[in-house]
Amino acid sequence: SQTIHQWPATLVQPVGSPLSLECTVEGTSNPNLYWYRQAAGRGLQLLFYSVGIGQISSEVPQNLSASRPQDRQFILSSKKLLLSDSGFYLCAWGPLRGLAGEQFFGPGTRLTVL
Amino acid sequence: GENVEQHPSTLSVQEGDSAVIKCTYSDSASNYFPWYKQELGKGPQLIIDIRSNVGEKKDQRIAVTLNKTAKHFSLHITETQPEDSAVYFCAASIRGNTPLVFGKGTRLSVIA
Repeated sequence: SQTIHQWPATLVQPVGSPLSLECTVEGTSNPNLYWYRQAAGRGLQLLFYSVGIGQISSEVPQNLSASRPQDRQFILSSKKLLLSDSGFYLCAWGPLRGLAGEQFFGPGTRLTVL
Repeated sequence: GENVEQHPSTLSVQEGDSAVIKCTYSDSASNYFPWYKQELGKGPQLIIDIRSNVGEKKDQRIAVTLNKTAKHFSLHITETQPEDSAVYFCAASIRGNTPLVFGKGTRLSVIA
């Protein structure tokens, strides 16, 4: 069966520090991968998605970036964090050749920027 | 692009009663409609989905209905229990490689 991992689970970082969040998927090949951010009590904001290695689509211009160095690995990064980057970051995967839109979420990373 | 509206934003029901959450979508080409349940501090979990060639789907106490003509779909939870308390999200998708478009969520509280 497929599983999705995110780490770290929680992170507290000072303003201006770098960020690296990692997501990996097991049990599938060539997945679509997604990064979402969720502010407290709010909905899901799509940040990036990828349909293959090195293929990244950005949905929201900001100081975050994403990379996909391997088929089942998706990384969210920032060179300098802002207070507004605080939130709950969710990674999701979907089958590349599946029917429309299936997505399965990871457990999330709670980021607090102080 | 696709737009998904979800209502109500909050819903309180007594334990044992039914709960209904409704969503509308704008793009008639959308053909996949999942529902997610998110418990506090966790990632959303897919609980049920429906495709455009089906009008209704049931899984124990949960059902989803789809009206393609009116472009709306609904989640029905019967015999609600306290553990049903969570935030529920609807979503819609046009085709395989495009991301889901989510509604803003409904916070359901089941009062014992």
